[in-house]
Amino acid sequence: AQSVAQPEDQVNVAEGNPLTVKCTYSVSGNPYLFWYVQYPNRGLQFLLKYITGDNLVKGSYGFEAEFNKSQTSFHLKKPSALVSDSALYFCAVRDGGSSGSARQLTFGSGTQLTVLP
Amino acid sequence: GAVVSQHPSWVICKSGTSVKIECRSLDFQATTMFWYRQFPKQSLMLMATSNEGSKATYEQGVEKDKFLINHASLTLSTLTVTSAHPEDSSFYICSARYPDRDTEAFFGQGTRLTVV
Repeated sequence: AQSVAQPEDQVNVAEGNPLTVKCTYSVSGNPYLFWYVQYPNRGLQFLLKYITGDNLVKGSYGFEAEFNKSQTSFHLKKPSALVSDSALYFCAVRDGGSSGSARQLTFGSGTQLTVLP
Repeated sequence: GAVVSQHPSWVICKSGTSVKIECRSLDFQATTMFWYRQFPKQSLMLMATSNEGSKATYEQGVEKDKFLINHASLTLSTLTVTSAHPEDSSFYICSARYPDRDTEAFFGQGTRLTVV
């Protein structure tokens, strides 16, 4: 079975400061890792993904994430936070090498990011 | 990125009635679509996988007779909540993946269902 853990329900950061939203995962095969952002009463917007290649992945709106295989982590980062980054962030994983239900996305519980002006 | 459109964005219905939610892939053909349910301040729970031209695959604990899924074409999947009750009130989200680029999923904007 695959799983995702987002240990922080809430992250607060001052505007202009760097932000980190944590994510760890568990999957039996090769991990496909994703970050999505959700604004109130909206669907999920894709931010970035790691499939293979460079461990540092750059995505939309200045976000990036680093894949760390030894720590089974995929933390989301941004060097300088904006108030408009305030939203709910989801990490997700799926097993890239399996078939059937293992190919489904499994989501973390979400982290509410609040950027304070 | 790909566009997935969901309609309606919100709906209020009376207990006992049925509600249909549509999910369309606007710029690609999706052989598979996914339906999720999200409770307030919680993560997405996969309800079922919708397969074009065949029966949907439901996750454990999801009532297939209550949540009817139809995937009649490569660009449209529908979720019908039958005989809705207040406990069915939730945020429902669909998603789809490119059939030949089986990596990231693209999500609809979600439907807020309120049953009164």
